[in-house]
Amino acid sequence: GESVGLHLPTLSVQEGDNSIINCAYSNSASDYFIWYKQESGKGPQFIIDIRSNMDKRQGQRVTVLLNKTVKHLSLQIAATQPGDSAVYFCAETPSRGNNRLAFGKGNQVVVIP
Amino acid sequence: GAVVSQHPSWVICKSGTSVKIECRSLDFQATTMFWYRQFPKQSLMLMATSNEGSKATYEQGVEKDKFLINHASLTLSTLTVTSAHPEDSSFYICSALLADLSYNEQFFGPGTRLTVL
Repeated sequence: GESVGLHLPTLSVQEGDNSIINCAYSNSASDYFIWYKQESGKGPQFIIDIRSNMDKRQGQRVTVLLNKTVKHLSLQIAATQPGDSAVYFCAETPSRGNNRLAFGKGNQVVVIP
Repeated sequence: GAVVSQHPSWVICKSGTSVKIECRSLDFQATTMFWYRQFPKQSLMLMATSNEGSKATYEQGVEKDKFLINHASLTLSTLTVTSAHPEDSSFYICSALLADLSYNEQFFGPGTRLTVL
């Protein structure tokens, strides 16, 4: 059922600054990782992905870093804009043959104009 | 492209009634769709994998008789919450798998807010 009193880790960032969101994963067999953005009352939106044979991947204003040694994933957003305010989730899947996604806990990003 | 819709976007029902939620892939065919549940301030939890033409695969702890899934066509999966109770109130999100030669990507619907009174 629903849990009360929970709050997401929140990152408050000034507009124009860079944001870094972190995610720890537990399954060392995970092969494929994705970052999603979720705005209030909406479904998740794909941002960027990375396979386990890479340690860095760049998109438009976003960079994902993967450290398999410590099972850590991060998302960097450059020049954060008000439209970046949302909850960000990392997700992992054991392999592309197995498409079931396991989502991380989520991080709230609040951009201060 | 790769748009997924859900209907309804929100629903309020009385305890004990059943509610059906539709998930449609609008511009692609999806043999596999997924159903997730999300409580406030929490992450998405996978409930089940919906396979076109076969039975759904449920995650551990999810009652298949409570959450009926039907994937009758390549563009439509339905989730029916049977005998809904207030604890079933949640945000239900579906995704559709777009499979191509290079990778498989899930496209998410906008979600359905279910409130059971």
